[in-house]
Amino acid sequence: NAGVTQTPKFQVLKTGQSMTLQCAQDMNHEYMSWYRQDPGMGLRLIHYSVGAGITDQGEVPNGYNVSRSTTEDFPLRLLSAAPSQTSVYFCASSYSRDSETQYFGPGTRLLVL
Amino acid sequence: GENVEQHPSTLSVQEGDSAVIKCTYSDSASNYFPWYKQELGKRPQLIIDIRSNVGEKKDQRIAVTLNKTAKHFSLHITETQPEDSAVYFCAAGMEYGNKLVFGAGTILRVKS
Repeated sequence: NAGVTQTPKFQVLKTGQSMTLQCAQDMNHEYMSWYRQDPGMGLRLIHYSVGAGITDQGEVPNGYNVSRSTTEDFPLRLLSAAPSQTSVYFCASSYSRDSETQYFGPGTRLLVL
Repeated sequence: GENVEQHPSTLSVQEGDSAVIKCTYSDSASNYFPWYKQELGKRPQLIIDIRSNVGEKKDQRIAVTLNKTAKHFSLHITETQPEDSAVYFCAAGMEYGNKLVFGAGTILRVKS
């Protein structure tokens, strides 16, 4: 198993550009989520999904969209990038409601100029 | 919503000493408390977790204690080694693990 994979590893955007951060897992996990990590602020939940076709907002959802058309994939879309979205983004997944252990992807480092 | 505070923000210990990191949470409904270790440039990895029906859990040199009444939980690392140097995050959550709220992190430095 590849586990949780994320692409790209690093991205530079200009203010106003849009892009999609990809996340995929091959462990048949029901639950997937996106976090952003900023210095001194830990990890903050952006959006999460409890299964295909179901998504919900976390702590900091503004400026981001998600969809979950398949169990495996959970892309995060930045609609109009802003410098405040410069961060490291982590995708995570867990097996089911009875298994809280989250497996994190390697992260995507995003710089918005 | 849930709020998690973590202290200290940095901690330096001598190799072989113990390290303790403390977290407090605000929502009494939270029932799951994991600890993650993150090495520089790497992803967070779960090192130990505890549920609210347990007061203490141990795994070799690592232990976690939970005080539900006071709404705080702590990570204890004994006999620290240089490879324990990393950032440690606590988190609190309920229902499903995907909705965790994380503390701001503690940078642990183990000096040899």
